[in-house]
Amino acid sequence: GENVEQHPSTLSVQEGDSAVIKCTYSDSASNYFPWYKQELGKGPQLIIDIRSNVGEKKDQRIAVTLNKTAKHFSLHITETQPEDSAVYFCAASKGYSTLTFGKGTMLLVSP
Amino acid sequence: EAGVTQFPSHSVIEKGQTVTLRCDPISGHDNLYWYRRVMGKEIKFLLHFVKESKQDESGMPNNRFLAERTGGTYSTLKVQPAELEDSGVYFCASSQLSSGTGELFFGEGSRLTVL
Repeated sequence: GENVEQHPSTLSVQEGDSAVIKCTYSDSASNYFPWYKQELGKGPQLIIDIRSNVGEKKDQRIAVTLNKTAKHFSLHITETQPEDSAVYFCAASKGYSTLTFGKGTMLLVSP
Repeated sequence: EAGVTQFPSHSVIEKGQTVTLRCDPISGHDNLYWYRRVMGKEIKFLLHFVKESKQDESGMPNNRFLAERTGGTYSTLKVQPAELEDSGVYFCASSQLSSGTGELFFGEGSRLTVL
């Protein structure tokens, strides 16, 4: 089955800096890669996703890049703000079937 | 519109006892998933309902776990008897069958502590 590795497990940045979280996946048939953000006391919420027919997708301060050959994808957050502090999960699946998640990255943005 | 709701938010039980977790998906969502996160680890898939049918239950750890979704609306996940390793946060998520997107809508989770 699919296996998703996520790094780092924790990430501390200063407000205004950029943050990058990286994930690798094992199943070359996976073609859907979402990122979820979990704030304290809440459930995970989709923030951005990418399908394997594109290499990059942006939405304001967040972007995701995908390297199918290397089987890795990354989340980039620019101009970080304290409200970006949360746990971020990457995931992978074939189509919209069951998601396999990474272990999560706790991002702390200090003012 | 109400989101996915889960009850209870936190349950503390002793080893050997029984606990039932409930999930109310977003109205009209045919897909319903149960996931579990043990502290510091990944959010792990347990099972998937499409309406009232179990589409995939390959992630259920063992026969101490029983999930139901009678009538295709809310779902329950029963753990009987509970063991220490069952502790974690149980998430329910739902999605529309024909949404054309892969977005899952998660509840806030039910934290289970087995002592």
